[in-house]
Amino acid sequence: GENVEQHPSTLSVQEGDSAVIKCTYSDSASNYFPWYKQELGKGPQLIIDIRSNVGEKKDQRIAVTLNKTAKHFSLHITETQPEDSAVYFCAASRAAGNKLTFGGGTRVLVKP
Amino acid sequence: EAQVTQNPRYLITVTGKKLTVTCSQNMNHEYMSWYRQDPGLGLRQIYYSMNVEVTDKGDVPEGYKVSRKEKRNFPLILESPSPNQTSLYFCASRYGQGNTEAFFGQGTRLTVV
Repeated sequence: GENVEQHPSTLSVQEGDSAVIKCTYSDSASNYFPWYKQELGKGPQLIIDIRSNVGEKKDQRIAVTLNKTAKHFSLHITETQPEDSAVYFCAASRAAGNKLTFGGGTRVLVKP
Repeated sequence: EAQVTQNPRYLITVTGKKLTVTCSQNMNHEYMSWYRQDPGLGLRQIYYSMNVEVTDKGDVPEGYKVSRKEKRNFPLILESPSPNQTSLYFCASRYGQGNTEAFFGQGTRLTVV
């Protein structure tokens, strides 16, 4: 089955700096890669996703890149703000599959 | 408002006492899942359902049961809870298969003593 590894497990950045979270996956048939943000006391929420026919996707201060050959994808947050402090999860799935496999999560702390 | 509602939010119980965590969605989604979240392990799928009366095991199904009698509801049943089932549980629903957004409930923090 699919295995998703996520690094780092914790990340502390100064407000205004960039944050990068990296994930690797094992199943070459996976072709959908979402990122979820979990704020304290809440359930995860989708913030951005990318499909395998796209190498990069951007939405304001967040961007995701995908390298299918190397089987890794990354989340980039620029100009970090205190409200970016949360736990972030990457995930991988097949388009026709029933399962979303999550990475172990990254706790991001943005220091003012 | 589109949402997934779980109850209860917090639960402390004793070993062996049967419990049910309810989950309901108002988006007419076909796919529903249960996950448990443990530190460093991310979210692991317990069970999922593709439609009414259709359920299947996820990665960690031991000690859990589910049912899907109506499209909107997907309860998680622990027949005989044990301390290793102490965890944070999330219900999620999706409109379609793997490449669609999953909507999560607020979570249920379960402690089994």
